[in-house]
Amino acid sequence: AQSVTQLGSHVSVSEGALVLLRCNYSSSVPPYLFWYVQYPNQGLQLLLKYTSAATLVKGINGFEAEFKKSETSFHLTKPSAHMSDAAEYFCAVSDRSGGFKTIFGAGTRLFVKA
Amino acid sequence: DGGITQSPKYLFRKEGQNVTLSCEQNLNHDAMYWYRQDPGQGLRLIYYSQIVNDFQKGDIAEGYSVSREKKESFPLTVTSAQKNPTAFYLCASEENPGRGEAFFGQGTRLTVV
Repeated sequence: AQSVTQLGSHVSVSEGALVLLRCNYSSSVPPYLFWYVQYPNQGLQLLLKYTSAATLVKGINGFEAEFKKSETSFHLTKPSAHMSDAAEYFCAVSDRSGGFKTIFGAGTRLFVKA
Repeated sequence: DGGITQSPKYLFRKEGQNVTLSCEQNLNHDAMYWYRQDPGQGLRLIYYSQIVNDFQKGDIAEGYSVSREKKESFPLTVTSAQKNPTAFYLCASEENPGRGEAFFGQGTRLTVV
């Protein structure tokens, strides 16, 4: 069975500092992995996705994530935080066995301090 | 512009009443989904549909019902059997189910009063 664990329900960084949001997954088959962002009272928007091409995936708004099979991790990073990055971030996994379900983590709320 | 439209954005319901949330997409996607979002719990799948006139229960289908009579429409009814319906509801669609980008609507916040 697939599962996703996001470490830390809240992360606070200063503007200009590194952003690191952690995600670990479990999947019985090679996974598809995603990061989504949600601004207050809005739907989710895809930041980036891993589908077995390059292990370092670049997304929108300067975010990137690295797939590490040995660590079953897919952490999201951004070198320099902006105030506009304050939002909730969700890691998600789906398997390649033909199923239609995507499993979402519980989310990490990012706070950016001026 | 292509996208998913959910309506209404805010909805209030009295206990014991059924209420229907609308979800319409013009992306020509076959797969559509309904999720429930509660603080600290991420997104939980209520129902999904891979094709017109077919739908499957998700992880928390009790107290909910759906229909898929048209490709572009996937309404969700929250029935009086749902004991704790106050939540944020999100509709999504995918061109390649589970393998690509899910497009989400703006959500409907349902409050039982």
